[in-house]
Amino acid sequence: AQSVTQLGSHVSVSEGALVLLRCNYSSSVPPYLFWYVQYPNQGLQLLLKYTTGATLVKGINGFEAEFKKSETSFHLTKPSAHMSDAAEYFCAVSGEGGSARQLTFGSGTQLTVLP
Amino acid sequence: DAGVIQSPRHEVTEMGQEVTLRCKPISGHNSLFWYRQTMMRGLELLIYFNNNVPIDDSGMPEDRFSAKMPNASFSTLKIQPSEPRDSAVYFCASRILAGAHEQYFGPGTRLTVT
Repeated sequence: AQSVTQLGSHVSVSEGALVLLRCNYSSSVPPYLFWYVQYPNQGLQLLLKYTTGATLVKGINGFEAEFKKSETSFHLTKPSAHMSDAAEYFCAVSGEGGSARQLTFGSGTQLTVLP
Repeated sequence: DAGVIQSPRHEVTEMGQEVTLRCKPISGHNSLFWYRQTMMRGLELLIYFNNNVPIDDSGMPEDRFSAKMPNASFSTLKIQPSEPRDSAVYFCASRILAGAHEQYFGPGTRLTVT
């Protein structure tokens, strides 16, 4: 079984400040991990993914995330927030084998960027 | 390359009417998913297909919901009869079965049942 917990349903940061969105996962198999972003009235867009190899992965729009197996975490960061980063962010996990190959999503974190 | 295409983008219908949502996956993708998103329940997986075959429909809320995938480039989600509680945004997503599991989402259909 897989699960994802996103700490904080709402996060506010000032423009130019560090963005940190938290994600912890549970998986009985080696996980694949993803972050998606959803802008208002749009579908989910893949930001970045971790499959194997380097644990620090870089995505689009300056975002990156680090896979920490010991902490079962995959937090999303961006050094300097921009107004255009305001959106909802979803963390997701999948793994090998049967239904584990399907994505399990967290409940989402709404990011607000203050001027 | 075109992404996942969904139609219509918006649908407003009266309770009791039949609603059909349509999806065209990305060319070459052989796995297709239907999701529903609401404020109360978040993102829910309704059903998914591999190679046009339904694999898991345990997320379909009731018998009023049905989904088909007659070929690799088209899928429908039908609600009959529709009810106000079906109001939500419905997303279609596709992926390559042998890939690294990431799914690509369409823009969604916003359904309002009055």
